[in-house]
Amino acid sequence: NAGVTQTPKFRILKIGQSMTLQCAQDMNHNYMYWYRQDPGMGLKLIYYSVGAGITDKGEVPNGYNVSRSTTEDFPLRLELAAPSQTSVYFCASSYGETRPAYGYTFGSGTRLTVV
Amino acid sequence: GNSVTQMEGPVTLSEEAFLTINCTYTATGYPSLFWYVQYPGEGLQLLLKATKADDKGSNKGFEATYRKETTSFHLEKGSVQVSDSAVYFCALQAAGNKLTFGGGTRVLVKP
Repeated sequence: NAGVTQTPKFRILKIGQSMTLQCAQDMNHNYMYWYRQDPGMGLKLIYYSVGAGITDKGEVPNGYNVSRSTTEDFPLRLELAAPSQTSVYFCASSYGETRPAYGYTFGSGTRLTVV
Repeated sequence: GNSVTQMEGPVTLSEEAFLTINCTYTATGYPSLFWYVQYPGEGLQLLLKATKADDKGSNKGFEATYRKETTSFHLEKGSVQVSDSAVYFCALQAAGNKLTFGGGTRVLVKP
């Protein structure tokens, strides 16, 4: 099993550019999440999804958009990139409330720098 | 709302020393509790978990006991190795399934 796959691993953007961070999971998890991790800090939830076609905001959604057209994929869109969005982005997935004690599976992260 | 507080790092230890990372939580109901570990340049990995009061989670020599009376889930390891150098995150999972993370504790083990 590949688990949770994130692409790209690294990216440098110029201010005002846009990009999509890709996330795919092959575990048939219903729930998927996007977090950002700033240097020396914990994780902050950006958006999450409880199933295909359903998304909701987390703690820090401004400047981002998501979609969930399939169970497997949960892309994160950055429009008009700003230096404050320089961070490491982690995608995660879980079974959700059917198996809450299994925890989350995380991808290896995308390191984004906005200059 | 739910919250997790863990001791700030960095924690610097010598090899074979005893490690304790304190974690306390605030939550309604009966959350599940987790410790995740993040090795340099990698994503988070589940280290251990406990789903109810007095449960003890254990893995790779690490242990943590779910203490409802003190709302704590402290992580311990009796003899650390250089390979245990990482950032450790305490987390809780309450109703709605979303994880709430602590701020992370960086551990550096020196040979």
